[in-house]
Amino acid sequence: AQSVTQLGSHVSVSEGALVLLRCNYSSSVPPYLFWYVQYPNQGLQLLLKYTTGATLVKGINGFEAEFKKSETSFHLTKPSAHMSDAAEYFCAVTGTGNQFYFGTGTSLTVIP
Amino acid sequence: DAGVIQSPRHEVTEMGQEVTLRCKPISGHNSLFWYRQTMMRGLELLIYFNNNVPIDDSGMPEDRFSAKMPNASFSTLKIQPSEPRDSAVYFCASSHLSNEQFFGPGTRLTVL
Repeated sequence: AQSVTQLGSHVSVSEGALVLLRCNYSSSVPPYLFWYVQYPNQGLQLLLKYTTGATLVKGINGFEAEFKKSETSFHLTKPSAHMSDAAEYFCAVTGTGNQFYFGTGTSLTVIP
Repeated sequence: DAGVIQSPRHEVTEMGQEVTLRCKPISGHNSLFWYRQTMMRGLELLIYFNNNVPIDDSGMPEDRFSAKMPNASFSTLKIQPSEPRDSAVYFCASSHLSNEQFFGPGTRLTVL
């Protein structure tokens, strides 16, 4: 069975500081992994995804994530937080039959 | 492509009334998902379809909820009768194979 755990439902960082949002997964098949962002009153949009190949994946807005199979992790990072990064972030993993399994989300606050 | 289209964007109704939410997936996508999002419960998968066939409806909260996908370009989520606890944002998403899900803008439902 597939599942996703996001550690920390709320994360606060200062503007310009490193952003680190944690995601661990369990999967019985080789996973596809995703990070989505949701801005207030909007739908979810894809930040980045890992399917195969290079384990360090770069996404939009300066975000990147590294697939670490040995740690079953797919943590999201950004070197320098911007005020516009304040949003809800969801990690997801695919299972069999096209179903996605989303984490419970992490709310990122950026402090000026 | 216009992306996933949902209608209406906002719906306010009274308890006991029937509510129908509509979704048009991205052309060529073979999977369609209905989600519900609330502050208390986060993002919940209600039901998903592969090639217009319902695969997993275990997330549908009760018999008041029903979903159909009569063809590859249209799906409905119906609540009859509606209750105040159904108030939430309902998202539709579509995907092709196990690739990323594309989310619609959501329908904000308020049941008075």
